Amino acid sequence: GNSVTQMEGPVTLSEEAFLTINCTYTATGYPSLFWYVQYPGEGLQLLLKATKADDKGSNKGFEATYRKETTSFHLEKGSVQVSDSAVYFCALSAPNQGGKLIFGQGTELSVKP
Amino acid sequence: DGGITQSPKYLFRKEGQNVTLSCEQNLNHDAMYWYRQDPGQGLRLIYYSQIVNDFQKGDIAEGYSVSREKKESFPLTVTSAQKNPTAFYLCASSIEGVHSYGYTFGSGTRLTVV
Repeated sequence: GNSVTQMEGPVTLSEEAFLTINCTYTATGYPSLFWYVQYPGEGLQLLLKATKADDKGSNKGFEATYRKETTSFHLEKGSVQVSDSAVYFCALSAPNQGGKLIFGQGTELSVKP
Repeated sequence: DGGITQSPKYLFRKEGQNVTLSCEQNLNHDAMYWYRQDPGQGLRLIYYSQIVNDFQKGDIAEGYSVSREKKESFPLTVTSAQKNPTAFYLCASSIEGVHSYGYTFGSGTRLTVV
């Protein structure tokens, strides 16, 4: 079946460090891939998405590239800020599944000044 | 602006009580979802609805009930049969059948048993 695997957290970084959060997936066909962010006490917000192979999604300095050959969608940011501290969820939506999302377990990021 | 509204933000329940969490959207989305999130945990699907007057159980439906009488509304009732209801509840909506769209989430309701 379809699934998403994220690297376990928490991830702790110093301000201005480089961030990578790994996400790999298993799916039939060509799914759409998403990253959501959840700040403390809030709902999830769409951070970025990619809908076909080799697409790069980007927003607020974050990027992720849809790699079909490695079934991956790793999230990166060149220089993190304290305000980036949050939980990040990778998700996929496979064709013919009614638009339903499959989520990874989430990765908590803590950025220290 | 269109969006999805959950209310209340905080809810306290006594043992043995049923409580209802509200979820309303004005995005004209067909599909709506309820998730439960426990501290430090991921999202677990409770119920979802792809069309008015129809809904399906998710992975952890026991102790919960829903209705979908209007396209805009998808309330969740946490019944007394739910033995451990303290959690953060998230509602989401999406365009049915469009797998490139993703979900729009509400801001959540934190339920505490007192």
